[in-house]
Amino acid sequence: GENVEQHPSTLSVQEGDSAVIKCTYSDSASNYFPWYKQELGKGPQLIIDIRSNVGEKKDQRIAVTLNKTAKHFSLHITETQPEDSAVYFCAASRVGGSYIPTFGRGTSLIVHP
Amino acid sequence: ETGVTQSPTHLIKTRGQQVTLRCSSQSGHNTVSWYQQALGQGPQFIFQYYREEENGRGNFPPRFSGLQFPNYSSELNVNALELDDSALYLCASSWQGEDQPQHFGDGTRLSIL
Repeated sequence: GENVEQHPSTLSVQEGDSAVIKCTYSDSASNYFPWYKQELGKGPQLIIDIRSNVGEKKDQRIAVTLNKTAKHFSLHITETQPEDSAVYFCAASRVGGSYIPTFGRGTSLIVHP
Repeated sequence: ETGVTQSPTHLIKTRGQQVTLRCSSQSGHNTVSWYQQALGQGPQFIFQYYREEENGRGNFPPRFSGLQFPNYSSELNVNALELDDSALYLCASSWQGEDQPQHFGDGTRLSIL
């Protein structure tokens, strides 16, 4: 089955700095890669996603890149703000086939004001 | 647009008991997925229901079962509860048949004593 590794487990930055979270996956058939933000006491909230036919996607301060050859994808957050502090999860799945999404173990992002 | 709602928010059970958790999908969504999230971990996929049929299952034993109703709401049933079943149980809904992301509820926190 699919295996998703996520690094780092904790990331501490100063407000205004950039943050990068990296994930690798094992199943070359995976074709959908969402990123979720989870705040304390809440369910995960989708913040951005990318499909395997795209190499990069950007939404305001958030961007995701995908390298299918190396089987890794990354989340980039620029101009971080204290409200970006949360746990971020990457996931990989195969849409259109047997749908079994696999999540990474999460990155706790702390943005210091 | 009504989001995903789960009930109850918290539940305490003892070993060996049975539990039923409930989920109402977001309006317009016909697919429901269930996840188990242990403390400090990413969500683990339990199963997905589409048109009242199980459509994908993760590595969970048969004592984890579910139902989806004609209005697309869903139940997760767990029999013979074990201490390791203590976790946050998340429900997510989506529109199957299209490459659409999942929307999560805030979960049910289940504690087994």
